[in-house]
Amino acid sequence: DAGITQSPRHKVTETGTPVTLRCHQTENHRYMYWYRQDPGHGLRLIHYSYGVKDTDKGEVSDGYSVSRSKTEDFLLTLESATSSQTSVYFCAISESSGRRTGELFFGEGSRLTVL
Amino acid sequence: AQRVTQPEKLLSVFKGAPVELKCNYSYSGSPELFWYVQYSRQRLQLLLRHISRESIKGFTADLNKGETSFHLKKPFAQEEDSAMYYCALNNAGNMLTFGGGTRLMVKP
Repeated sequence: DAGITQSPRHKVTETGTPVTLRCHQTENHRYMYWYRQDPGHGLRLIHYSYGVKDTDKGEVSDGYSVSRSKTEDFLLTLESATSSQTSVYFCAISESSGRRTGELFFGEGSRLTVL
Repeated sequence: AQRVTQPEKLLSVFKGAPVELKCNYSYSGSPELFWYVQYSRQRLQLLLRHISRESIKGFTADLNKGETSFHLKKPFAQEEDSAMYYCALNNAGNMLTFGGGTRLMVKP
């Protein structure tokens, strides 16, 4: 498995509380992503990063923010969690090189429940 | 906008039967398509990509631009093929759009 770790792996929180999920990689890959996985919706991109301090929005970015101050860490923050953000969150990384473009390596996922 | 559609949420077949997981896409450019798989208690991982035109674990997928499809096929399903399968489209550099996923169950 690629060196990707997500923390926490499980979290239960209450509506209105802030939550931060962390993704840490040891592969020195340029690209990092946060996806959420929901039944019937597959994986939907929340935010991604193409370098330190370089981030952009994905398909479902409302209610989420990200930060990448170091190559190895990509943080996803829910400023005020809502029940609709109950989901499994996946971090992924990739390197931008022709033959391997589009190959993402995924973390194990973080299951978040917002009560 | 790009979109990936997997019409079947669940596909159940018997061991040894052929299997086809459907994937349709909409994209105005030249698509790059992938199949990802998630086995039970394992990470989501790349199964195959259309540009490689390879067979992985007996699975193949052919890009049909006329029908905008990229169906995944295997002539004889095995129990260990049971997993969640996602079709994905690379629309710009390293940005992947995923379909809703199909759960394949191979019964003994």
